[in-house]
Amino acid sequence: GQNIDQPTEMTATEGAIVQINCTYQTSGFNGLFWYQQHAGEAPTFLSYNVLDGLEEKGRFSSFLSRSKGYSYLLLKELQMKDSASYLCAVRRRNTGFQKLVFGTGTRLLVSP
Amino acid sequence: DAMVIQNPRYQVTQFGKPVTLSCSQTLNHNVMYWYQQKSSQAPKLLFHYYDKDFNNEADTPDNFQSRRPNTSFCFLDIRSPGLGDAAMYLCATSDTQTRYEQYFGPGTRLTVT
Repeated sequence: GQNIDQPTEMTATEGAIVQINCTYQTSGFNGLFWYQQHAGEAPTFLSYNVLDGLEEKGRFSSFLSRSKGYSYLLLKELQMKDSASYLCAVRRRNTGFQKLVFGTGTRLLVSP
Repeated sequence: DAMVIQNPRYQVTQFGKPVTLSCSQTLNHNVMYWYQQKSSQAPKLLFHYYDKDFNNEADTPDNFQSRRPNTSFCFLDIRSPGLGDAAMYLCATSDTQTRYEQYFGPGTRLTVT
């Protein structure tokens, strides 16, 4: 089976940095994804990690430690539009497809 | 230039009245997925098609069916909607040959009265 844990909610101030953590327990781990989801909208892809380390993409970075079953998403220079839910999703090996299991998401509220 | 399109965006149906949600894609991806997402919950995979091969999740109720008549289109049929089926239904696609992420459509919000 699999278990994915994320904080339910976080708050931060415009211009600040926030780190959203995700821990997982799964058999056959084969990659971790971060998606952003604004209220009432579809998830949009942010990042993908399959090897240990940090992946940077503009204001967003994602880190993975496979031995610890841990990932985080780092958002820098926060903007009001970053207020959204951030979903951590794990892909399992040998499913044959990009089958993902999602966490319940972390709702981020950015205030002025 | 929309890539994954879902129609309608909002659907209201009556308790027990069959309803069909549709999804189309312009990406020519070989895998299509249907997820159910309830408020403040994670998207839950119902089933997926790998080309024409249908793959049902073990805990997907029999009330939910799907059809994929060609590469571009996929339908979700709910035979007898119950109040508990009210949710956002998300369609997604991916391509096993090239990229790894799933592309989501905007979703259909289903209300059951």
